[in-house]
Amino acid sequence: DFVMTQSPLSLPVTLGQPASISCRSSHSLLHSDGDTYLNWFHQRPGQSPRRLIYKVSKRDSGVPDRFSGSGSGTDFTLKISRVEAEDVGVYYCMQGAHWPGTFGQGTKLEIK
Amino acid sequence: EVQLVQSGAEVKKPGESLRISCKASGYSFTTFWIGWVRQMPGKGLEWMGIINPGDSDTKYSPSFQGQVTISADRSINTAYLQWSSLKASDTAMYYCARHVHADYWGQGTLVTVSS
Repeated sequence: DFVMTQSPLSLPVTLGQPASISCRSSHSLLHSDGDTYLNWFHQRPGQSPRRLIYKVSKRDSGVPDRFSGSGSGTDFTLKISRVEAEDVGVYYCMQGAHWPGTFGQGTKLEIK
Repeated sequence: EVQLVQSGAEVKKPGESLRISCKASGYSFTTFWIGWVRQMPGKGLEWMGIINPGDSDTKYSPSFQGQVTISADRSINTAYLQWSSLKASDTAMYYCARHVHADYWGQGTLVTVSS
C-alpha cells in the first residue's frame, strides 16, 4: 500500500502570509512512463474536493498562481504565497501512480 | 463544460439495497475512467473503485472489494455504485470523480443508513 503522510494536520495562517504543506509517500511516485503522479486537492466546508495541482506542479485551469507545487520521488510540497480568506478548508495530497490511489490525512487551513 | 451530476441523498435501513448514480456530460464518456470516493463523517477521502465505461473493466480498492459493485451504462453516460445489503457503517458522503487523477468531481451523494 502507498501511504501518504501530510504535515502539519492543522495550519493557522494570517491573511496575506505564506503557507506550506508537506506530503510524503511511502514509495516513489515516479511512474514507469516518466511522470510523477502527485495531486493536490482543496475541499471547502460542505463542498466537493477540487483539484488544484496535478503531476506535482501543474496548476489546473482557473487555479490562482499563488498556489504552487514542488517535489520529487517521495517528498512533495504545496505552497500558497499569500493566503486569502477563500483558501480556508482542507487540503489533501493524493498519489495516482499506483491503484488504488491514496490520499493523505488532510491539512486543515484556518485563518488566525 | 465537464459535469458530473449525482443522484440525491438517500436514507436507508440496515440490510436494504441501494444504487446511486453519476451522470456525466461535456466529454466523451467512454474516454475516461470514472470512479467513486467515500468520505465518512468528519473524515478523509478514500478511493473505492473505478470503471472504464468503454469496456466495463473495473478495479476495486481491496477495502471495498466484495462490499460494493460499480457499473456503467454508456448509453446514458452514467456510472453507478450499488450495495446489496447496507450497514450503518456505510453512512457517508460518496463522490464520483473522473479518472484516477480526479480532475472533475460530482457534487456528492449523502447516504445515511440507520434503523
